[in-house]
Formats: sequence, structure tokens, C-alpha cells
Amino acid sequence: AQSVTQLDSQVPVFEEAPVELRCNYSSSVSVYLFWYVQYPNQGLQLLLKYLSGSTLVKGINGFEAEFNKSQTSFHLRKPSVHISDTAEYFCAVEDMDRDDKIIFGKGTRLHILP
Amino acid sequence: DAGVIQSPRHEVTEMGQEVTLRCKPISGHDYLFWYRQTMMRGLELLIYFNNNVPIDDSGMPEDRFSAKMPNASFSTLKIQPSEPRDSAVYFCASSLDSRTGELFFGEGSRLTVL
Repeated sequence: AQSVTQLDSQVPVFEEAPVELRCNYSSSVSVYLFWYVQYPNQGLQLLLKYLSGSTLVKGINGFEAEFNKSQTSFHLRKPSVHISDTAEYFCAVEDMDRDDKIIFGKGTRLHILP
Repeated sequence: DAGVIQSPRHEVTEMGQEVTLRCKPISGHDYLFWYRQTMMRGLELLIYFNNNVPIDDSGMPEDRFSAKMPNASFSTLKIQPSEPRDSAVYFCASSLDSRTGELFFGEGSRLTVL
């Protein structure tokens, strides 16, 4: 079964500094990959997704992610974070060749330090 | 569109009581997903429907849990009898086409079982 690993449960970073949130998935078969963001007391919102094509995907709020098939990774990056980026970030994967289930990682809480 | 609507937002009940959570997906969306979020286990897929038909309920923890989708605009998740370990935030999400991956989440129902 497909699984998603987010290596860091929490990431503290200073405001205006760059950040990378790591995500690895279990299988090298064809997959769709996603990053979602959850602000406090809200549901998840889609940040960006990789379906095919360019391995560098740009999303909302200045975030981007790079799909690396050989390393089965899909790390999320932002060159300069703001206090408003404080949230929990979830990586998710869907196996293209199997069912329609979207499996989420356990999340990474991003703490922006002043 | 109002988005995915869940009710109740908060529910506090005593062990042994029946709990019913409700969801109204976005009109026109063919897929509906129920997720449970806890600190320990993260975001777990419980069950999902396609065109009102349950496709995969392998994530439903046990027989105390049941879900229905009597029509395209309404779904319920029922727990009977409830137990303290069921305390979690339950999210409903809908999608036009799960293969494009954008799940639209409701704001969640926070359940506390005493």
C-alpha cells in the first residue's frame, strides 16, 4: 500500500528565511502528488499538485515543490516565509494505477519565529 | 458555492451514545471522502463514495462506524456506540474528479467522547 512520510513533525524558521518541508512516498510507480495546508481550526486547502510534466510545480502563496522520481520525494519550499504561513502542511499521494484513494502524511507544523 | 458543509462543528457526548456527523458536498462533485484527524495518527481515510456508492471502507475502524450517502447532496457518518478513543476531528471532503486531486474540505466536526 502507498504511504507518505513527512520527516519533520515541526519546523521552526525565522520570518523572511527560506524553508523546506520534506516529503517522501513509498512507491516508485506512477503517482499524483499534492501539498495541502491547514490553518488553525480549518479544513485543508490545496497548495499545489503534481500530475505530470515539469517536475517543478508552483502553487499559491509563493510555495513550490519539486518532484524527484528517483528519490521518491516531493519537498515543499518557499524562499521567504511570513508570519501568515504559520500552519500545518500535509503531503499527499494518489497511486495512478490503482484506486482513487488519496493518502496523507502526518503533517509538518511550520512555526514562524519573529 | 458555499463549499463543503459539515455539522455539527463541535459535539460532546458520553461514552455509549450514538453520534451522527453530517456532510453536504459541493454540488456536482462525484466523490465524497470521510477522514479522521488525531494527533497520534494524523489524517486517516475512513471511507469514500463515488456517485453515492461506497467504494472503499477499509479505513473504517470497526463495526461501530457506519457511513451512508443516500443522495448526491448528503452523507452521514455514524458511530454507535461511541467510545472515548473516537474523540477526533472528522473531516468530510468532496472532489469533482479524484484523479485531479483537489479535495475540498469542510471545516470539520470536533468530537469529544467523555
